Amino acid sequence: QVQLVQSGAEVKKPGASLKVSCQASGYNFTGYYLHWVRQAPGQGLEWMGYINPNRGITKYAQKFQGRVTMTRDTSISTAYMEVSSLTSDDTAIYYCARDLRYYDFDYWGQGTLVTVSS
Amino acid sequence: QSVLTQPPSASGTPGQRVTISCSGGRSNIGSNSLHWYQHLPGTAPKLLIYRNDRRPSGVPDRFSGSKSGTSASLAISGLRSDDETYYYCAAWDDSLSAYLFGTGTKVTVL
Repeated sequence: QVQLVQSGAEVKKPGASLKVSCQASGYNFTGYYLHWVRQAPGQGLEWMGYINPNRGITKYAQKFQGRVTMTRDTSISTAYMEVSSLTSDDTAIYYCARDLRYYDFDYWGQGTLVTVSS
Repeated sequence: QSVLTQPPSASGTPGQRVTISCSGGRSNIGSNSLHWYQHLPGTAPKLLIYRNDRRPSGVPDRFSGSKSGTSASLAISGLRSDDETYYYCAAWDDSLSAYLFGTGTKVTVL
């Protein structure tokens, strides 16, 4: 069965960087785009960007341009998202999600809670 | 900020029908597929309706979606207590070259 398993919760200091992993199983990793979505406390869902695991091509939301990097390691079917220069506004649950084909996210990771606090 | 607008709340009694609207524009709903997610905060969102009106396997037919022009709607019939959570519409926006989630609607079962 399809599964996306994310890395565990993190606590970071302002100014630090964060790297979250998303390991896929149960399907052809390179056959589906992977997106990253976050939800800050009391806020709605926010799209951050995607990676094409086959070619490594990425697309980031304008808000995160220059601060987010999405990569992948096809040998272990894992995608990564790195966020730099963290502030308290980055405190959120971060999710990876598989794109079925037309930006319809059919499988999601369990979420990674990131807390940014001094 | 999202340009897909949903009512902040909707409610109904068990067994009733509730409808949630999602209003957008030509560059998003008007040009691309619209999807609906059910989300209990702190858990993984669930794809409820995809490509305007399709239900993934396992989603009850109590949930239905429709789209017309630059608007869409999600209907929940036979409302149940476990339907009480948040619902988001979403679509790709060609002008912004970004994926947009709606503002979200909290459904309350009275």
